[in-house]
Amino acid sequence: AQSVAQPEDQVNVAEGNPLTVKCTYSVSGNPYLFWYVQYPNRGLQFLLKYITGDNLVKGSYGFEAEFNKSQTSFHLKKPSALVSDSALYFCAHNFNKFYFGSGTKLNVKP
Amino acid sequence: GAGVSQSPSNKVTEKGKDVELRCDPISGHTALYWYRQRLGQGLEFLIYFQGNSAPDKSGLPSDRFSAERTGESVSTLTIQRTQQEDSAVYLCASSLGTGFFEQFFGPGTRLTVL
Repeated sequence: AQSVAQPEDQVNVAEGNPLTVKCTYSVSGNPYLFWYVQYPNRGLQFLLKYITGDNLVKGSYGFEAEFNKSQTSFHLKKPSALVSDSALYFCAHNFNKFYFGSGTKLNVKP
Repeated sequence: GAGVSQSPSNKVTEKGKDVELRCDPISGHTALYWYRQRLGQGLEFLIYFQGNSAPDKSGLPSDRFSAERTGESVSTLTIQRTQQEDSAVYLCASSLGTGFFEQFFGPGTRLTVL
C-alpha cells in the first residue's frame, strides 16, 4: 500500500529554535516525496521534493528535508524557526497519484 | 497568470440546491485533482484525472458528487442536492504527471451550505 504518515498533529517550538516536522512513508518503488505548506486561509504551496540523489533537499523559506531510506522517513527541518513559519504542513508522495499525509500544525511562539 | 485558478472563490447555497465549481489548470498539465478540506483539517481526495485515462473516482463521498474534465483543460466539480456537511473548501491542483512532478494548487472555493 502506498501511504505517508505524519505522526504528530501539532508541533510547538519557540522562535529561534530548530524545528522538525516528521513524515514516514510506505512506498513500493522509487519514493517521490514532497512537502507542502498551507498558511492560514491560503492555498497549499510547494516547499521541496526528493526525487533521487542527495538525501538532504533544500527548499523554499529556508526549509530542508532529509530522506532516510533505512528509516523510511522524510522529516522537514529548519535550523531557526520564525513566528511566520506557523502553518499547516503536509507530506506527500506521488506514485500513480498523489497521497497526502494528515498534516501537522506548526506553532512557533515568540 | 500562469497558476491554477478556481471559481467562484466563495459560494453560499441553500440545502438541496446543486452547485458547480470550476477549475482551470496550468496549461499543459495532464493531471488534475480535486480535494475537499474541512476547516483546519487535512486534504480529502475526491477525484483524479490523468490525460485520457479513465478518472480515479475512488474518493467521491457519494453519488451526489461528480466531476468532468474537457481534454486536458477545464474541470468542473458538481455537487447535487447539497447538504450542510458538504460545507468545506474545495481545492483543485494540477501537475505535469505522476512520479516526480509536484502539484500546483488553486486558491480553492469555499462552499457554505445553509
